Amino acid sequence: AQSVAQPEDQVNVAEGNPLTVKCTYSVSGNPYLFWYVQYPNRGLQFLLKYITGDNLVKGSYGFEAEFNKSQTSFHLKKPSALVSDSALYFCAVSVRGRNTPLVFGKGTRLSVIA
Amino acid sequence: EAQVTQNPRYLITVTGKKLTVTCSQNMNHEYMSWYRQDPGLGLRQIYYSMNVEVTDKGDVPEGYKVSRKEKRNFPLILESPSPNQTSLYFCASTSGTLPFTNTQYFGPGTRLTVL
Repeated sequence: AQSVAQPEDQVNVAEGNPLTVKCTYSVSGNPYLFWYVQYPNRGLQFLLKYITGDNLVKGSYGFEAEFNKSQTSFHLKKPSALVSDSALYFCAVSVRGRNTPLVFGKGTRLSVIA
Repeated sequence: EAQVTQNPRYLITVTGKKLTVTCSQNMNHEYMSWYRQDPGLGLRQIYYSMNVEVTDKGDVPEGYKVSRKEKRNFPLILESPSPNQTSLYFCASTSGTLPFTNTQYFGPGTRLTVL
């Protein structure tokens, strides 16, 4: 069965500094990987996804993520954090070629401090 | 505006009193899903539907029912709610015959408290 690990419950970063939110996955087969963001009192919003092709994926709001097959990772990054990036971030995985639902990680709360 | 709507947004009820949370999408999506979100556990899928009259269990289906009589609607039914079903519930939808490769659109959430 597929699984996702987000090893950090909380990440704190100063505004203007680069940020990284970590995600590792485990699947039997080739993964589809997603990042979603949840702002307070809102539903989840799509940020970016990796399906195939270039390992570096660019998404909304200046975020990007790098698919690393050897390390089974899909870390979310942004070169310069904004206070408005403070939110709960979820990594999710499904398996290519199979009709298996998305499995979400437990989420990482990002706090960007001014 | 493309959206997924849920009602009610907030609900406080008592153990055993049947309730329904509605979900509707206006994007003509085939796939719809219900999740619950609990602190430290992330999102867990309750049920999903690949199309009208086609539903399947997710990871945590116990105590829930769903139906998909129309493409746009996917209600979540709690026949006899219990306190362990106190949670934040999200409905989501997406298009395509391979929905798990596509972006999911989430509703705003329903916060349910069962006393």
